[in-house]
Amino acid sequence: QKEVEQNSGPLSVPEGAIASLNCTYSDRGSQSFFWYRQYSGKSPELIMSIYSNGDKEDGRFTAQLNKASQYVSLLIRDSQPSDSATYLCAVSRWNFNKFYFGSGTKLNVKP
Amino acid sequence: SQTIHQWPATLVQPVGSPLSLECTVEGTSNPNLYWYRQAAGRGLQLLFYSIGIDQISSEVPQNLSASRPQDRQFILSSKKLLLSDSGFYLCAWSVQSANYGYTFGSGTRLTVV
Repeated sequence: QKEVEQNSGPLSVPEGAIASLNCTYSDRGSQSFFWYRQYSGKSPELIMSIYSNGDKEDGRFTAQLNKASQYVSLLIRDSQPSDSATYLCAVSRWNFNKFYFGSGTKLNVKP
Repeated sequence: SQTIHQWPATLVQPVGSPLSLECTVEGTSNPNLYWYRQAAGRGLQLLFYSIGIDQISSEVPQNLSASRPQDRQFILSSKKLLLSDSGFYLCAWSVQSANYGYTFGSGTRLTVV
């Protein structure tokens, strides 16, 4: 079993819709959760971090964490073609020095 | 502010040749440093990480090595490249304990021919 699982996609949504990206993890001791966006040919960039159960909103992005069910999700509201990228989920224990990354979900936002 | 520099951006090397990729961080001290590799269409594979000078952990057995000669410098090396070493190499840094996420460099695309 992989430490972090993501559906590889591609997930296709029309412009203006809500994109929902999901991630499950296996280590119940995980306490730090991150979403990275990676455009084709570029390096990943951190877009959201979440540490507590519930929702965390930042602009059009909302991260959701449910530790009991061991999943973390990312919602992108009013999706734009510029959101088309691969989204990577990363998980870590507190003070653990390294993350476990999922293999990423490719998102296509169609104009 | 902190910045991370990684070079070169692209590299084409013959099989059996040596490799040296360099990464430096500015604007912080005693960072954690990481080398990742991403094969085409694949996820990120952690190769090495370092929590301090001469403190390097290797995650996968392979013909690569890493060194940290200075606090903010991390070098990835190979004595003889294999075709399977082709990929996108990413350096990253974090504050100690990595609790607040990594910041990645711009990456080096290595093609072994």
